Amino acid sequence: NAGVTQTPKFQVLKTGQSMTLQCAQDMNHEYMSWYRQDPGMGLRLIHYSVGAGITDQGEVPNGYNVSRSTTEDFPLRLLSAAPSQTSVYFCASSTQWGHTDTQYFGPGTRLTVL
Amino acid sequence: ILNVEQSPQSLHVQEGDSTNFTCSFPSSNFYALHWYRWETAKSPEALFVMTLNGDEKKKGRISATLNTKEGYSYLYIKGSQPEDSATYLCAFYSAKTSGSRLTFGEGTQLTVNP
Repeated sequence: NAGVTQTPKFQVLKTGQSMTLQCAQDMNHEYMSWYRQDPGMGLRLIHYSVGAGITDQGEVPNGYNVSRSTTEDFPLRLLSAAPSQTSVYFCASSTQWGHTDTQYFGPGTRLTVL
Repeated sequence: ILNVEQSPQSLHVQEGDSTNFTCSFPSSNFYALHWYRWETAKSPEALFVMTLNGDEKKKGRISATLNTKEGYSYLYIKGSQPEDSATYLCAFYSAKTSGSRLTFGEGTQLTVNP
């Protein structure tokens, strides 16, 4: 099993550009989520999905879109990048809704918006 | 907004020392408490998920306890080794949380000097 994979590992964007961060898992997990990690702050939830076709907003959803067309994939789209979106982004998955199972994290994508 | 606080923010110990850190969380509507180990340039890895008051979990030299009535969890490392150097994150899930999200603390950064 590859676990949770994310691409790209690094990305530099200019303000106003759009891009998609890819996330895939091969563990047949129903629950997937996107977090951002900023200095001095804990991981903050952007969007999450409890299964294919179902997504919902987390704590900091503005400026991001998600979709979940398959169990395996959960891409995160930046619609119009802003410097405030400079961050490290982590995708995570777990077997269960309800958070009694551990989250499996991807390796992260380091994004810089100029 | 649910606050999860971790203390201390950072800790430097000598190889062989035993150490512990604290995670504080709201005691009402408790559902689950997670501990993760996060090494620099890697992704967070799960240590424990704890759900019952009085839970004690152990993995090698690392153990954790949970007190849901007073809203805290302790993580202990016995005989610290340089490879234990990492940031230790706790995350709290409340049955009352809207959006069903884990709320992460900022972490305790542990450095073990040889």
